[in-house]
Amino acid sequence: EPEVTQTPSHQVTQMGQEVILRCVPISNHLYFYWYRQILGQKVEFLVSFYNNEISEKSEIFDDQFSVERPDGSNFTLKIRSTKLEDSAMYFCASSDRQSSYEQYFGPGTRLTVT
Amino acid sequence: GQQVMQIPQYQHVQEGEDFTTYCNSSTTLSNIQWYKQRPGGHPVFLIQLVKSGEVKKQKRLTFQFGEAKKNSSLHITATQTTDVGTYFCAGSSGTYKYIFGTGTRLKVLA
Repeated sequence: EPEVTQTPSHQVTQMGQEVILRCVPISNHLYFYWYRQILGQKVEFLVSFYNNEISEKSEIFDDQFSVERPDGSNFTLKIRSTKLEDSAMYFCASSDRQSSYEQYFGPGTRLTVT
Repeated sequence: GQQVMQIPQYQHVQEGEDFTTYCNSSTTLSNIQWYKQRPGGHPVFLIQLVKSGEVKKQKRLTFQFGEAKKNSSLHITATQTTDVGTYFCAGSSGTYKYIFGTGTRLKVLA
């Protein structure tokens, strides 16, 4: 069964450093998302991406964040200057119209900012 | 901004008992999705509801979308230990932005 993959599974970084989280969505999907989940809390929408541009973004997704689809398979989330409060699990998801926008989530990247 | 609340926050049930979680949106939704997240896992899609008053069943799970499309519920009949996890609703107002509910954590005691 096709699945979304994410790398790395765990990233530790120092405050102020840049991080890039990587995702490989399911190959025929067209809609891509990033969410984050602080431990024990709800899943928070960050951004959606379709047709090589951002469709929607939340108030969390400020100028420190950016997304890119650098080639036909990868979808990346960059945080330019990490803060302590960016520590969370980051999930990538993808969907397509054929499956009624069912979102398939990746296993997540745990980001720890020290 | 749009808010989606779920009650209860936690529910402990004996195996075999029924379970219901309720989801309420501050705004009218275009559609609502339900996800299950096992401890340490990622959200897994369960179902999507689109029509006002829609009811869908998946084996022991029954999903309902309110007439006003602002609330939804998930009911599990005769819970099993495999039902353990956190259940989230996620609502969209017709865009590619899904706001997740606060979640209901279910524990099933054998």
